[in-house]
Amino acid sequence: DAKTTQPPSMDCAEGRAANLPCNHSTISGNEYVYWYRQIHSQGPQYIIHGLKNNETNEMASLIITEDRKSSTLILPHATLRDTAVYYCIVRVPSGGSGNTGKLIFGQGTTLQVKP
Amino acid sequence: EAGVAQSPRYKIIEKRQSVAFWCNPISGHATLYWYQQILGQGPKLLIQFQNNGVVDDSQLPKDRFSAERLKGVDSTLKIQPAKLEDSAVYLCASSYGQGFGDYGYTFGSGTRLTVV
Repeated sequence: DAKTTQPPSMDCAEGRAANLPCNHSTISGNEYVYWYRQIHSQGPQYIIHGLKNNETNEMASLIITEDRKSSTLILPHATLRDTAVYYCIVRVPSGGSGNTGKLIFGQGTTLQVKP
Repeated sequence: EAGVAQSPRYKIIEKRQSVAFWCNPISGHATLYWYQQILGQGPKLLIQFQNNGVVDDSQLPKDRFSAERLKGVDSTLKIQPAKLEDSAVYLCASSYGQGFGDYGYTFGSGTRLTVV
């Protein structure tokens, strides 16, 4: 089962910042938080990931709380092309040998950017 | 770098027929994943390979689904016989990682299967 909970949908005005929350209260100390998004008929697209510190790249910023029980993905200036389903994922150890990881997806948040 | 390649892009078959999907991961990526995504849901992990060995196939319906990754590069996922509920997008993903470290995962565009 997914270790994350997200609101099912959110709206954002074009040009404004989109702040997508995620709860992961059962996260373990060495488990990373990943964010992906999926635009209709495409495969999931990587956005950003982090462990403890806040992270920023050309697409977004990831803010992780100090206790690591929640995080927020920030799209600083949302455009209509950012309309998509956004998945917050905690990477968990794989079964079997257990020394690799796997991404277990939840339902995600459908972000609608409006003009 | 080239992405994860999948084929075919679309497939329509009748129930009880068989079908196979192909995936070519990013060069050098040791780990390969197959996911099933039913319309309106998040992707569900079916099987994970590390090189040419299976790491996790706990969610694979083994009575009808099979997968292999010969030589630790390309992979095929097969369904035989297909059921109506197998209609979904089948996604392949790969990653460099050979340990629980800091690395990313890249997904292909998927194969959309319709069973009629």
